[in-house]
Amino acid sequence: GEDVEQSLFLSVREGDSSVINCTYTDSSSTYLYWYKQEPGAGLQLLTYIFSNMDMKQDQRLTVLLNKKDKHLSLRIADTQTGDSAIYFCAEPHRGSTLGRLYFGRGTQLTVWP
Amino acid sequence: NAGVMQNPRHLVRRRGQEARLRCSPMKGHSHVYWYRQLPEEGLKFMVYLQKENIIDESGMPKERFSAEFPKEGPSILRIQQVVRGDSAAYFCASSPKPGLAGSYNEQFFGPGTRLTVL
Repeated sequence: GEDVEQSLFLSVREGDSSVINCTYTDSSSTYLYWYKQEPGAGLQLLTYIFSNMDMKQDQRLTVLLNKKDKHLSLRIADTQTGDSAIYFCAEPHRGSTLGRLYFGRGTQLTVWP
Repeated sequence: NAGVMQNPRHLVRRRGQEARLRCSPMKGHSHVYWYRQLPEEGLKFMVYLQKENIIDESGMPKERFSAEFPKEGPSILRIQQVVRGDSAAYFCASSPKPGLAGSYNEQFFGPGTRLTVL
């Protein structure tokens, strides 16, 4: 449960779509989370998906879940400069009842005007 | 309803000194988590506390680190005899209910305390 993998950097032009990918470790994870961290700030829950779903859409955000490959992605449509931040995917600790989360290293999204 | 508050936001200590980090959870939340973020790394779980109880401290270094969440007042993360490797951002998160396997558990994060050890 300690090897949630994410690519470290992504750069896109304003107006384009961004896709941030994550590979998680525990196929039994029921909820998977995406958090956003703006410079100098704490983490803010962006969205989440329950494992019985393949896709969840919330305004400009689309989460795709491939349970077979343990792959999670976050798509941001019409990316804006205000979307520039670090994005973390997180899964609950394997087998634990105690709620701790495992985070990836984060993907730094830079949006160019 | 104020969010999770942490203070200080920035803390500078010399090697060997003690660091005390405070976290006030959101109103009505009795579950607190501490995470550490080393430079250019993700958050690593340290400890999970409920009021007056340490539930899971499996992520805490065995020495020099301790945490408490008293009946009254904020949760405290205490680091004794700090070393340069302790320099990091320390985040506190709170939730209104226990983190149970299979259940949705949103954790609300504070802005963090950035500890620098000289």
